[in-house]
Amino acid sequence: DQQVKQNSPSLSVQEGRISILNCDYTNSMFDYFLWYKKYPAEGPTFLISISSIKDKNEDGRFTVFLNKSAKHLSLHIVPSQPGDSAVYFCAASEETGANNLFFGTGTRLTVIP
Amino acid sequence: DAGITQSPRHKVTETGTPVTLRCHQTENHRYMYWYRQDPGHGLRLIHYSYGVKDTDKGEVSDGYSVSRSKTEDFLLTLESATSSQTSVYFCAISTSGGHNEQFFGPGTRLTVL
Repeated sequence: DQQVKQNSPSLSVQEGRISILNCDYTNSMFDYFLWYKKYPAEGPTFLISISSIKDKNEDGRFTVFLNKSAKHLSLHIVPSQPGDSAVYFCAASEETGANNLFFGTGTRLTVIP
Repeated sequence: DAGITQSPRHKVTETGTPVTLRCHQTENHRYMYWYRQDPGHGLRLIHYSYGVKDTDKGEVSDGYSVSRSKTEDFLLTLESATSSQTSVYFCAISTSGGHNEQFFGPGTRLTVL
């Protein structure tokens, strides 16, 4: 059963507007969350992360929000740029020695110029 | 660039044949991982390693074995490939255990006919 879910397979946004990608999880033991970006024929690249002790983390145009009570996180991209067009994966982990990650199914973001 | 290479990058093989995929890293990181990416499933952990000769199973380990005889190399073997193992395989490294982002290689596309 999928412990991390991304219910929107795709999202289209106009350049300059905000992109909001959503992620839900079921395992209450998850306490660290990450977003990865993936271009075709390449490996995922790390984008931003958040610990469960925080509810927001910003890095430039990217902000991740965490709502622990709802078991929900979101990635905001402002302003969206055509180069942001990619598949975005949400991932989560428990605090273990090996840091195993559980991934969502991904959301394909298309930023329209 | 985390110095991760995967070989081969593409492979087509027949059902029942053995296949070995190689992951090589140049930075002596302790933790290495093998994932597979399939539509509708995101990335799923196959096996991981927390040191030379130290490996453990992930979420989808059936039909796969791994070996790590040197810090820099992590091998994934399909003893007898099946069509259900057609997938894109990603290797990843983590600079340390616990809460830490993983860095991914470019992937190997494997087709089992």
